[in-house]
Amino acid sequence: GDSVTQMEGPVTLSEEAFLTINCTYTATGYPSLFWYVQYPGEGLQLLLKATKADDKGSNKGFEATYRKETTSFHLEKGSVQVSDSAVYFCALKEGFQKLVFGTGTRLLVSP
Amino acid sequence: NAGVTQTPKFRILKIGQSMTLQCTQDMNHNYMYWYRQDPGMGLKLIYYSVGAGITDKGEVPNGYNVSRSTTEDFPLRLELAAPSQTSVYFCASSLVGGRDQPQHFGDGTRLSIL
Repeated sequence: GDSVTQMEGPVTLSEEAFLTINCTYTATGYPSLFWYVQYPGEGLQLLLKATKADDKGSNKGFEATYRKETTSFHLEKGSVQVSDSAVYFCALKEGFQKLVFGTGTRLLVSP
Repeated sequence: NAGVTQTPKFRILKIGQSMTLQCTQDMNHNYMYWYRQDPGMGLKLIYYSVGAGITDKGEVPNGYNVSRSTTEDFPLRLELAAPSQTSVYFCASSLVGGRDQPQHFGDGTRLSIL
């Protein structure tokens, strides 16, 4: 079945550091890929998405490129802020039913 | 601009009690979903609905029931609460069900069964 694998956290960075959170996937078909962010005590918010190979999703300084050849969708940001501290979920969707989520990666950014 | 609203935010139940988690959306979305999130895990789909009167099981439906009498509401029912149902529950919705459609999430209900 479909699955998503994310790097384990927590990822601990200083403010203004470069961020990469790795995400790879396994799918039987041709999925769309998503990154969601969950701030403490809140629900998941869509951060960005990509629907076909080589698409780049971007939002709030975060970027991720859909790499079909390596089945990856790594999240990057050039300069993180304390306010980026949250849990980040990579997910895929093939059909009309469910999102398939990774286990989440906690990011902690210190001043 | 409410989006997806879940109530209650927190609840403690005793083993064997029952309760209903409420979910309502004001975006006129056709599809609605219930997920549970266990510590250190991703979200698992419990039930989903593609429209009023139509529901179907997800990955982990045992111990739960749902109904969808209106487009706006999608309540989740626990009949006999068990400790294994201690989790955070999220309701989500999407306009349609295509592969490129993101889902919009509520803030969750944190449920403890003691």
